[in-house]
Amino acid sequence: QVHLQESGPGLVKPAETLSLTCAVSGVSIDSSSYHWGWIRQSPGKGLEWIGNSYSRGGTYYAPSLQSRVTISLDKSKNQFSLSLSSVTAADTGVYYCAWGGLPPHWGQGTQVTVSS
Amino acid sequence: EIVLTQSPGTLSLSPGERATLSCRASQDVGTTYLAWFRQTPGQAPRLLIYGVSRRATGIPDRISGSGSGTDFTLTISRLEPEDFAVYYCHQYGSSPNTFGGGTKVEIK
Repeated sequence: QVHLQESGPGLVKPAETLSLTCAVSGVSIDSSSYHWGWIRQSPGKGLEWIGNSYSRGGTYYAPSLQSRVTISLDKSKNQFSLSLSSVTAADTGVYYCAWGGLPPHWGQGTQVTVSS
Repeated sequence: EIVLTQSPGTLSLSPGERATLSCRASQDVGTTYLAWFRQTPGQAPRLLIYGVSRRATGIPDRISGSGSGTDFTLTISRLEPEDFAVYYCHQYGSSPNTFGGGTKVEIK
């Protein structure tokens, strides 16, 4: 059974870098041809795609975030990460990691608040 | 970018009634990477349908998905209390992946 679990600091200061990790079980990051990605949801808002990465190569980011975001795969630990630099209060929200398989699987989400 | 437009924005119905939710894409989405999620307050989105019409594990057959190309529909044949929530369609077959703006199903 595929399971994804996000982890990382719940509070980040403005202008700093938000870093989250997604631990994966039940499927190998290295062998999957589907994407590994991140999605977020600001308070009271809809869902926003952040980006995807493929183990065979290729990473895609939302145009609005492209200058600040990096998604990395760690095949040895079967996990992947999100790094978002120069955060502001607008980056506050719940962050979900996701696997784009059939069916897709998401983690339960982790709350991140940007505040001094 | 594939823009997904959901309608209506809000649907006011009574328990036991039928709900029909629409998701229209700005270009062909195909039939593999189109999904529907349901979200209740404070909870993570729950996958209902993937591949346009395939139910996720544990989803009852009163919930169904249909469509192809640019027009997709989520149908709930008889509304149960847990169905009063916000629904999102999502395409994840092309980058950027996109979400619809959501349809809220509320109790009339």
